[in-house]
Amino acid sequence: DGGITQSPKYLFRKEGQNVTLSCEQNLNHDAMYWYRQDPGQGLRLIYYSQIVNDFQKGDIAEGYSVSREKKESFPLTVTSAQKNPTAFYLCASSVVLNTEAFFGQGTRLTVV
Amino acid sequence: AQSVSQHNHHVILSEAASLELGCNYSYGGTVNLFWYVQYPGQHLQLLLKYFSGDPLVKGIKGFEAEFIKSKFSFNLRKPSVQWSDTAEYFCAVTANNAGNMLTFGGGTRLMVKP
Repeated sequence: DGGITQSPKYLFRKEGQNVTLSCEQNLNHDAMYWYRQDPGQGLRLIYYSQIVNDFQKGDIAEGYSVSREKKESFPLTVTSAQKNPTAFYLCASSVVLNTEAFFGQGTRLTVV
Repeated sequence: AQSVSQHNHHVILSEAASLELGCNYSYGGTVNLFWYVQYPGQHLQLLLKYFSGDPLVKGIKGFEAEFIKSKFSFNLRKPSVQWSDTAEYFCAVTANNAGNMLTFGGGTRLMVKP
């Protein structure tokens, strides 16, 4: 089955800890994205990557980091510097930038 | 700042009513436009998209949208909604003069009463 897999679905962490969210795609897409979804604010772009070994900051990159060492993987680390990390995180991919994006099921992160 | 605006945050309709959800963007240059839907408990999926050509585009489940360049708008319409259309709808834009990042509006939560 082709698609985007995010894991885990639910994640709990203590305040001050870094946490890494996984995103894997087997669609052979070049571009990948991380969004954060908060009620009433839509989806806000955290980071995106056009191609392997390249990534760019989105609108709300502070407190987050990413890597793109493999085409199929784009993990997101939520660091302790992120002031309000509790949110729903969505990963997506597309053939290239500016084409239709396909989304994973999301990871709901709760920091206590 | 460049942005995507969805002015209706919550819409409540009865079944068979007509739907129009507004979407405006502030990007210049060449844009690609999208509407996504998120049904309760499901992942985001594409309803329709506009890249070029006929400004009236048809999508899945009877939805359509019209690109009006002069108004920077891409409103979503459906002549007759069903209870199963209850979902959150997101407009999204890429612009070639803004790095081609996929930028979303704030979303519109639609509730259809049976």
